[in-house]
Amino acid sequence: DAGITQSPRHKVTETGTPVTLRCHQTENHRYMYWYRQDPGHGLRLIHYSYGVKDTDKGEVSDGYSVSRSKTEDFLLTLESATSSQTSVYFCAISDTADTQYFGPGTRLTVL
Amino acid sequence: GNSVTQMEGPVTLSEEAFLTINCTYTATGYPSLFWYVQYPGEGLQLLLKATKADDKGSNKGFEATYRKETTSFHLEKGSVQVSDSAVYFCALSATSGGGADGLTFGKGTHLIIQP
Repeated sequence: DAGITQSPRHKVTETGTPVTLRCHQTENHRYMYWYRQDPGHGLRLIHYSYGVKDTDKGEVSDGYSVSRSKTEDFLLTLESATSSQTSVYFCAISDTADTQYFGPGTRLTVL
Repeated sequence: GNSVTQMEGPVTLSEEAFLTINCTYTATGYPSLFWYVQYPGEGLQLLLKATKADDKGSNKGFEATYRKETTSFHLEKGSVQVSDSAVYFCALSATSGGGADGLTFGKGTHLIIQP
């Protein structure tokens, strides 16, 4: 299995609070991605990174920001969490921008 | 834009039955195609992939053939087991080495295998 960890694995927070999710990889892959998974929608891309300090928006980026200061870490921040951001968040990595390998996910509940 | 369509299910089969999960896609250019599997409470695992027309991906008894003429990548298995119960996602990557704008997923098919 690809060396990808996500933290925390579960989080419950309140509306309006900031939340940061962390993705850590030990594979030295160039590309990293954040997706959210919601019933009836499959997985949708939030943001992605193609190198240190190089990031871009995905399909559902509103309300989210990301940072990548080191190859191994990709952070997803919800500046002010809303109930619509209750979801399961998956990080993925790739060395070719083609095949992606996924982390175990973070279940976030915003009350 | 790119899109992937697959049956959502749930699909319920008896053990040892033949499985087909249909997947069709819309994309510009020549995408790579993937099937991922998600077991309860876990992340997505790559099941198989195909990168060009007429390629067949296979793994653990599952197969899928990249059909450009019908824009399809149907997943098949000759004899399913209870342990195959999971959610299966069809996905495409419209970038090949150059860009990095993520995978496009279908909504997932929930497969239930009964003993």
